[in-house]
Amino acid sequence: ILNVEQSPQSLHVQEGDSTNFTCSFPSSNFYALHWYRWETAKSPEALFVMTLNGDEKKKGRISATLNTKEGYSYLYIKGSQPEDSATYLCASITDSWGKLQFGAGTQVVVTP
Amino acid sequence: KAGVTQTPRYLIKTRGQQVTLSCSPISGHRSVSWYQQTPGQGLQFLFEYFSETQRNKGNFPGRFSGRQFSNSRSEMNVSTLELGDSALYLCASSLEPNYNEQFFGPGTRLTVL
Repeated sequence: ILNVEQSPQSLHVQEGDSTNFTCSFPSSNFYALHWYRWETAKSPEALFVMTLNGDEKKKGRISATLNTKEGYSYLYIKGSQPEDSATYLCASITDSWGKLQFGAGTQVVVTP
Repeated sequence: KAGVTQTPRYLIKTRGQQVTLSCSPISGHRSVSWYQQTPGQGLQFLFEYFSETQRNKGNFPGRFSGRQFSNSRSEMNVSTLELGDSALYLCASSLEPNYNEQFFGPGTRLTVL
């Protein structure tokens, strides 16, 4: 059972277009939210660790926002490039032990 | 700095056998977590070790066990393998437990026949 849900499951984006997708998580007992990028044949790579309501983080063309009161986070990719093709995973921590609970991921395919 | 390494990368076993997977964290990282990924499922948390102690455990049967050594290297063991144990097993290390970003290894692909 996944309490962390990501939508959409997959999306196709034209090169140069911007896109965004959602991570929903339990808003009670929130401690932190992680975003990871997982490219095919590679290991998941951390993008952001977010802990505060209203947090906005940015890394290059990728940014994320966090709303802990309503239990969601958005990840944005501006001007998508083929190298952005990957599965993007979010994971929430809802206990003091720091156990990460992952969503199933959003698979992004950027076509030239 | 070398990344997280996992051995072996691929493994084929038959039902009823047992298997041991190894994970070497990034130098200086003391927390190691293990995850299982099966088709259609997100990464499922198995357990976390810190300072040779299991501090967190996911909802897996007792056939899944692990340990951590004084050099922070970790092993996980699965006994009496079942077909459903076929999966990608990932380990991840972090400096300390709690909220820190995790650095993942390449995974061990286990196939149970």
